Amino acid sequence: AQSVSQHNHHVILSEAASLELGCNYSYGGTVNLFWYVQYPGQHLQLLLKYFSGDPLVKGIKGFEAEFIKSKFSFNLRKPSVQWSDTAEYFCAVNPNSGGSNYKLTFGKGTLLTVNP
Amino acid sequence: DAGITQSPRHKVTETGTPVTLRCHQTENHRYMYWYRQDPGHGLRLIHYSYGVKDTDKGEVSDGYSVSRSKTEDFLLTLESATSSQTSVYFCAIRGFLAGSTDTQYFGPGTRLTVL
Repeated sequence: AQSVSQHNHHVILSEAASLELGCNYSYGGTVNLFWYVQYPGQHLQLLLKYFSGDPLVKGIKGFEAEFIKSKFSFNLRKPSVQWSDTAEYFCAVNPNSGGSNYKLTFGKGTLLTVNP
Repeated sequence: DAGITQSPRHKVTETGTPVTLRCHQTENHRYMYWYRQDPGHGLRLIHYSYGVKDTDKGEVSDGYSVSRSKTEDFLLTLESATSSQTSVYFCAIRGFLAGSTDTQYFGPGTRLTVL
């Protein structure tokens, strides 16, 4: 079974700092990759996704992620964070095969706190 | 907005009582999923459905059952609730919103407390 590791449990930054959240997955085949964000008290919202093509993916709110196949990684980045980016971030993977029933496996999440 | 609603949004119950959570969607999506979210565990799949009356187990299915008698509704039942099932439960659909593909969209969640 596939698994997803998010290296940082809690990241604390000041506004305007750069952000990089790590995500590694274990699965030998082709995968679809996702980053979701959960603002306090809200449900998960899709930030960005990678299916194929350009490994540098741009999402909403200035976020981007880079898929590095050789490292099984899909790290999330943002050049300059804002206080409103305070949230929990989840990386997820879905094996790109017909038998997977499009099930997602999530990492445990990284809580980002941005101080004004 | 993926047109997903969950009910109830909050529930407090006692150990040993049955509980049913409802997920309702308005877009005729085939795939629906139930997850639970717990601190330090992220989201874990409980059960999913790939069509009416077609369901299967996820990673943490023990103590839960599901039913899907019509496309728009996916019910999650705790036959005899335990304190370990205190959690936030999210429903999701596999949708094709705004030209996207193979993406899961989540409902607002149900916070369940088992005393």
